[in-house]
Amino acid sequence: GESVGLHLPTLSVQEGDNSIINCAYSNSASDYFIWYKQESGKGPQFIIDIRSNMDKRQGQRVTVLLNKTVKHLSLQIAATQPGDSAVYFCAEKSETSYDKVIFGPGTSLSVIP
Amino acid sequence: DARVTQTPRHKVTEMGQEVTMRCQPILGHNTVFWYRQTMMQGLELLAYFRNRAPLDDSGMPKDRFSAEMPDATLATLKIQPSEPRDSAVYFCASGPNLSRRNTGELFFGEGSRLTVL
Repeated sequence: GESVGLHLPTLSVQEGDNSIINCAYSNSASDYFIWYKQESGKGPQFIIDIRSNMDKRQGQRVTVLLNKTVKHLSLQIAATQPGDSAVYFCAEKSETSYDKVIFGPGTSLSVIP
Repeated sequence: DARVTQTPRHKVTEMGQEVTMRCQPILGHNTVFWYRQTMMQGLELLAYFRNRAPLDDSGMPKDRFSAEMPDATLATLKIQPSEPRDSAVYFCASGPNLSRRNTGELFFGEGSRLTVL
C-alpha cells in the first residue's frame, strides 16, 4: 500500500552547516510532496511543497528536491540555525486517494551551537 | 490570527471512560483531518472530512472511535471506551479545498494529549 518513509531517524548538524533530510515514498500517484516541521509541544507546521511534475523548488533557506525515478525526496536547509532544531516530516498527497495527506515517520534534527 | 483550536489540551482519564476531543477548524477551510501521534507509530491518519462529509476513516478503530462534524465549525473525535493504548497526542488539522491545484498544506492545532490509565 501507500507509504512514505525516512532514511534517517536522527540528524545532528553543526550550526552554520547545511542539513539534508531524506525521504522515500512508494505511491507513484502522489501529486504533491510536502515538508513539515514540528517543534516540541506543537503541531506540525508547513515548510515547503513540491508538485510531482517538478524536480526542485526553493524557499527561504530551504530547497526540496524530488527524484521520481527512485522515488526519493529531500529537504536541504542552508546555514542551519538553532531554531531549526525540530522533527521534520515528509508527507504526500494523492488525488487518487481523495487528497489524503499521509505523513512519514519523521527525522529529528539537532543543531549543535 | 486564524488558527485551529483544539480542546482539551490535556486529558487524563481511566480505562473504560469516554473521551471526546474537539476541534474548531479555520473558518473557510473545508477539509478536516484527525491524526494520532505516538513515538512508535508517528503521525497516523485517523479520519478525513471534506465539506463535513467523512471521506476516509480507515485508520480509525471502528469499534471504539468515532469522528463527526456536527457543523462546519466543529469536528469531534470520540473514544468509548478508552484504553491505555489510546494514550497519544491527537492532532486536528484543517485545509482549504485540496484539489489538484492545491498543495496539501494543512494547518494543525496544538494537539490534545490523552493519557489513559
